[in-house]
Amino acid sequence: DVKVTQSSRYLVKRTGEKVFLECVQDMDHENMFWYRQDPGLGLRLIYFSYDVKMKEKGDIPEGYSVSREKKERFSLILESASTNQTSMYLCASSSLWTGDGYTFGSGTRLTVV
Amino acid sequence: GESVGLHLPTLSVQEGDNSIINCAYSNSASDYFIWYKQESGKGPQFIIDIRSNMDKRQGQRVTVLLNKTVKHLSLQIAATQPGDSAVYFCAPLVSALIFGKGTTLSVSS
Repeated sequence: DVKVTQSSRYLVKRTGEKVFLECVQDMDHENMFWYRQDPGLGLRLIYFSYDVKMKEKGDIPEGYSVSREKKERFSLILESASTNQTSMYLCASSSLWTGDGYTFGSGTRLTVV
Repeated sequence: GESVGLHLPTLSVQEGDNSIINCAYSNSASDYFIWYKQESGKGPQFIIDIRSNMDKRQGQRVTVLLNKTVKHLSLQIAATQPGDSAVYFCAPLVSALIFGKGTTLSVSS
């Protein structure tokens, strides 16, 4: 089974801090994604990547950046954390465009105080 | 862009009943759709998918129906069990999967 691992289950950070959320997948998938999930809003796409060193903006990229230096790792960066970035962050990976859909990690619950 | 709406935010059923969860999408160019289940404290898990050249696909206790004319999908769960209690999302694939807000299914014994 594909495994998508998010490095932290819970994080608490202060306003203005630079925050790194890490995601690693072990099945050589080309595509990786970052979503955030908020009550009543569902999952919203932040950024995604089809290959190493490439990235595409999703629906809500403002305040975030990403890094994909290696195929298996996709990092989400909050340049200057704000309280409205308190959320559940979910990473996913997939093989090209289709197959069996996306495999998600268990999520990182980030609280910005 | 694509938008996804689910008709009911919550659905409550009795154990053993059949459940039907509905989903509408906006982009007629979407040609691949996935249903996910998310249990509390976990990431979404793949349930079943369907391509636009099909109108029905069956899995174990689940059936997905696709009506491209009205841009509507439904997920049918047969003999619903307490373990089916979760949030269900439909997700059309455009450049990436686009998720709606989800329907919370509650199954009572």
